[in-house]
Amino acid sequence: GQQVMQIPQYQHVQEGEDFTTYCNSSTTLSNIQWYKQRPGGHPVFLIQLVKSGEVKKQKRLTFQFGEAKKNSSLHITATQTTDVGTYFCAGPRDSNYQLIWGAGTKLIIKP
Amino acid sequence: DTEVTQTPKHLVMGMTNKKSLKCEQHMGHRAMYWYKQKAKKPPELMFVYSYEKLSINESVPSRFSPECPNSSLLNLHLHALQPEDSALYLCASSRVGQYNEQFFGPGTRLTVL
Repeated sequence: GQQVMQIPQYQHVQEGEDFTTYCNSSTTLSNIQWYKQRPGGHPVFLIQLVKSGEVKKQKRLTFQFGEAKKNSSLHITATQTTDVGTYFCAGPRDSNYQLIWGAGTKLIIKP
Repeated sequence: DTEVTQTPKHLVMGMTNKKSLKCEQHMGHRAMYWYKQKAKKPPELMFVYSYEKLSINESVPSRFSPECPNSSLLNLHLHALQPEDSALYLCASSRVGQYNEQFFGPGTRLTVL
């Protein structure tokens, strides 16, 4: 069945280091969405990518959508404590357009 | 108003109880969703309402019964739940269509004893 795979499961970084999470779909996606969930919180929409090869930036966050529209990445430059949380990618299912979620990558800042 | 509200925040219930979760949004969204989220897992879709009609049921057991009384409200009726149903239940809303972001409520943390 259609899958969205996301790695790594966890990433421990020192504050100020960079963070990257990768998403890979088993099928070509029409779009991909990214969400952030803070500890104890709910998912919050960050961005949607639609075009092949698209790159979007939000301050220290850079989002990319692959040329084949099957993979995506989120890169955070110089992490801060406010970046802590789990980052999910999600793409629409072919059959009914409902979101298929990646497993999430948990960003942990080392003390 | 870009907020989705959910009540209650926490719920503890026995396996023989009947309870309801409530969700409300005033963004004019005509798609509303129920998700279940277990710890360290992504949200798992349960139901989708589109224009107040149930459009998707992801093979959810009948002990979960959704209801959409109007375009702003979504309920999830619970009856005879099992301990493994303990989870965070999230409501979300969006415009109809695949290119629209979903707005999530804060969730109801459900514990079934």
